[in-house]
Amino acid sequence: DIQMTQSPSSLSASVGDRVTITCRASQSISSYLNWYQQKPGKAPKLLIYGASSLQSGVSSRFSGSGSGTDFTLIISSLQPEDFATYYCQQSYSTRPLTFGGGTKVEIK
Amino acid sequence: EVQLVESGGGLVQPGRSLRLSCATSGFTFDDYAMHWVRQAPGKGLEWVSGVSWNSGSIGYADSVKGRFTISRDNAKNSLYLQMNSLRAEDTALYYCAKDQRITLFGVVEYWGQGTLVTVSS
Repeated sequence: DIQMTQSPSSLSASVGDRVTITCRASQSISSYLNWYQQKPGKAPKLLIYGASSLQSGVSSRFSGSGSGTDFTLIISSLQPEDFATYYCQQSYSTRPLTFGGGTKVEIK
Repeated sequence: EVQLVESGGGLVQPGRSLRLSCATSGFTFDDYAMHWVRQAPGKGLEWVSGVSWNSGSIGYADSVKGRFTISRDNAKNSLYLQMNSLRAEDTALYYCAKDQRITLFGVVEYWGQGTLVTVSS
């Protein structure tokens, strides 16, 4: 199975900060990397697919980059509604799909 | 508007069975693959199973293989998960989710609100 490792596991940031979350795959997954946002008590929401494609309706302050084994999610200017847990997920191998452990973004 | 509504969760004893259902609307169900993803209390996301549009391609996590069976009824726009031989570690919120494509592409585009399964004696 492809293992996905996110860092950091949590971070504290202020409104307006630039936030960077990284995700590393245990083997090359090309650009088959997706990012999800989950707020407390809510279902996850797709933000980015194919490493860098913004899902329809998602704010342009979210961006993704990377290929192979190393990927990055950037929030350009953190907003109050962005405080949540973010998960990366590989779709290079669909049996099984695997998620990273999550990064909790908290208010400083 | 895409809607995915799970049902069938509850409290069940170890070793027993439970069947989850997911009623869908707002999209052409048989044009998309579907998934079940679970989240144990306070933990991260774990993919459980996925099925292509015509059930021709199915996958399971190792943790549930041989115990869980995914199925779909395209005439009823519904997805199912038959869970047998349940264990305490199966306790989780189970999400029904829609793939971005007709095959098991793996981009989970929409999620339901989940149904809670608790396995305990």
